[in-house]
Amino acid sequence: GAVVSQHPSWVICKSGTSVKIECRSLDFQATTMFWYRQFPKKSLMLMATSNEGSKATYEQGVEKDKFLINHASLTLSTLTVTSAHPEDSSFYICSALVVGWAEAFFGQGTRLTVV
Amino acid sequence: ELKVEQNPLFLSMQEGKNYTIYCNYSTTSDRLYWYRQDPGKSLESLFVLLSNGAVKQEGRLMASLDTKARLSTLHITAAVHDLSATYFCAVEPQGGSEKLVFGKGTKLTVNP
Repeated sequence: GAVVSQHPSWVICKSGTSVKIECRSLDFQATTMFWYRQFPKKSLMLMATSNEGSKATYEQGVEKDKFLINHASLTLSTLTVTSAHPEDSSFYICSALVVGWAEAFFGQGTRLTVV
Repeated sequence: ELKVEQNPLFLSMQEGKNYTIYCNYSTTSDRLYWYRQDPGKSLESLFVLLSNGAVKQEGRLMASLDTKARLSTLHITAAVHDLSATYFCAVEPQGGSEKLVFGKGTKLTVNP
């Protein structure tokens, strides 16, 4: 199957700093990627849809100024958590749909801990 | 708004037994997915179900889809400890948005 690589796999940062998470499609081009957030022992909640070359589409209740998404190329989307606070601590997962395939592939996830 | 209900949320079973996890969804769907998640890990794709009556099997797991009933099942046959994980179903709403709505997950524990 297609490979989606997410980096870093875990990060610890201080309150008030910003953290960037990268999501790369390694062997295919992804015009659309998705960013999810997962709280411990909970399901995945879609945060935003990342579109190559255009602005991301955010789900209701997600602060676009806090969670900056950039999709500068067909193989890379980034999520930047700005001015992070402890309540932003979570597991963030990206996914990409392969054009023409009926399947979504997920990155390894990033465990963010804000202290 | 599409809602996805999964049950049970917790399932503890003995090795060798059979059981079924259910996934109901509220509106017409294009696709339904089943994923496995191990603790601290991301999602592993198990099955993609595209049409009414679709049935797919891999090892001890078998998934089916009834689009008329808006129901998918994940059947576990002769469970083994290695199947212990959390299983999610996810539904893509009709219309090609490609967004997935996830169920709450079923935490499966298979006891020796």
